[in-house]
Amino acid sequence: EDKVVQSPLSLVVHEGDTVTLNCSYEVTNFRSLLWYKQEKKAPTFLFMLTSSGIEKKSGRLSSILDKKELFSILNITATQTGDSAIYLCAVEGGDYKLSFGAGTTVTVRA
Amino acid sequence: ETGVTQTPRHLVMGMTNKKSLKCEQHLGHNAMYWYKQSAKKPLELMFVYNFKEQTENNSVPSRFSPECPNSSHLFLHLHTLQPEDSALYLCASSQEGSVNEQFFGPGTRLTVL
Repeated sequence: EDKVVQSPLSLVVHEGDTVTLNCSYEVTNFRSLLWYKQEKKAPTFLFMLTSSGIEKKSGRLSSILDKKELFSILNITATQTGDSAIYLCAVEGGDYKLSFGAGTTVTVRA
Repeated sequence: ETGVTQTPRHLVMGMTNKKSLKCEQHLGHNAMYWYKQSAKKPLELMFVYNFKEQTENNSVPSRFSPECPNSSHLFLHLHTLQPEDSALYLCASSQEGSVNEQFFGPGTRLTVL
């Protein structure tokens, strides 16, 4: 059974801090790893990673994948209160299904 | 506007009721998904439809019955639910049957009394 583990489960930081979120996985026939941001209800897509060592960036967010060690990290620099959300990691396996981690709840305080 | 809409946004129902959740996507996608998100648990995939055909049923109890009349609409029919079925039900869609870059709807918050 595919497994996705995120850590930490939650963290609280102050505006301007940098946060690093972790996602480790065990999946049959890995195809891709995806990061989502969930505020209130609907998750919104952030990144899709398929290759090791290639960093994806979008503004203050960046992510990288290590397919050898089976993990990914999501970095948020210069955090703002609007970054407060649940960050979900999901892995697509060979059966084209997404398996989600439990998420990391990030709270950014002013 | 996410391009994926869900109605109703909130639903309270008794265990003997029959109700339906509706999802509509305006993105031209041809794959749609139902997920269940319970408190403090990961998102759970329930059903997958590719080109209107159901391709996955993730061991979901028969009290949940999906229907996909066309590639833009997806329903989840509910009957004789249990209180533990209370959760956020999310619909998503994607292109070409791949799960990559799924776009999620806002969800329906379901409470079963």
